[in-house]
Amino acid sequence: DAGVIQSPRHEVTEMGQEVTLRCKPISGHDYLFWYRQTMMRGLELLIYFNNNVPIDDSGMPEDRFSAKMPNASFSTLKIQPSEPRDSAVYFCASTNRLDNSPLHFGNGTRLTVT
Amino acid sequence: AQSVTQLGSHVSVSEGALVLLRCNYSSSVPPYLFWYVQYPNQGLQLLLKYTSAATLVKGINGFEAEFKKSETSFHLTKPSAHMSDAAEYFCAVTSSGGSYIPTFGRGTSLIVHP
Repeated sequence: DAGVIQSPRHEVTEMGQEVTLRCKPISGHDYLFWYRQTMMRGLELLIYFNNNVPIDDSGMPEDRFSAKMPNASFSTLKIQPSEPRDSAVYFCASTNRLDNSPLHFGNGTRLTVT
Repeated sequence: AQSVTQLGSHVSVSEGALVLLRCNYSSSVPPYLFWYVQYPNQGLQLLLKYTSAATLVKGINGFEAEFKKSETSFHLTKPSAHMSDAAEYFCAVTSSGGSYIPTFGRGTSLIVHP
């Protein structure tokens, strides 16, 4: 099991540019989560999917953020246009069920917007 | 509704000393509780979880946690700290009151001095 795979590991971009973060969940996991981690806010849930369908996107900060899951093995988080305050580490996590099953996290994408 | 409070954003101990990281939760229904560890430049990894089978839960790397309903606590302990334990530790809660979506604490950074 390769675990949750995120790419790229690091992304540096200029303000106003489009940024796309990618995630491959663990095979067989029906739930996929996108989190953002910053020193100020800690770990924030942005959106989560169940069977490729977005269930709750109330954590998405603005319309500049969008997420898709076209199939069970791939999800993207897009920021367009990016701003310096979007600089953070973005994590993807998956699990096969809710309740007492833990989340499996990827190693994150560190985004820097200059 | 559910919430988690981790007391102390930083805890500093000497190598070989007792480690105690505090976590208090709030949940109107029986919760499931988790501790995760995050090493630098990595995602969160499960350390241990409480699922009501036993109040004292043993995890990886010699860590354990005790569920105390009367105190609404789930503190993490380790008898003897090792340099390799230096990391960020997160407590998380899920429950039916939160649709089993994990709520994470702000995290506690464990610093281990030689």
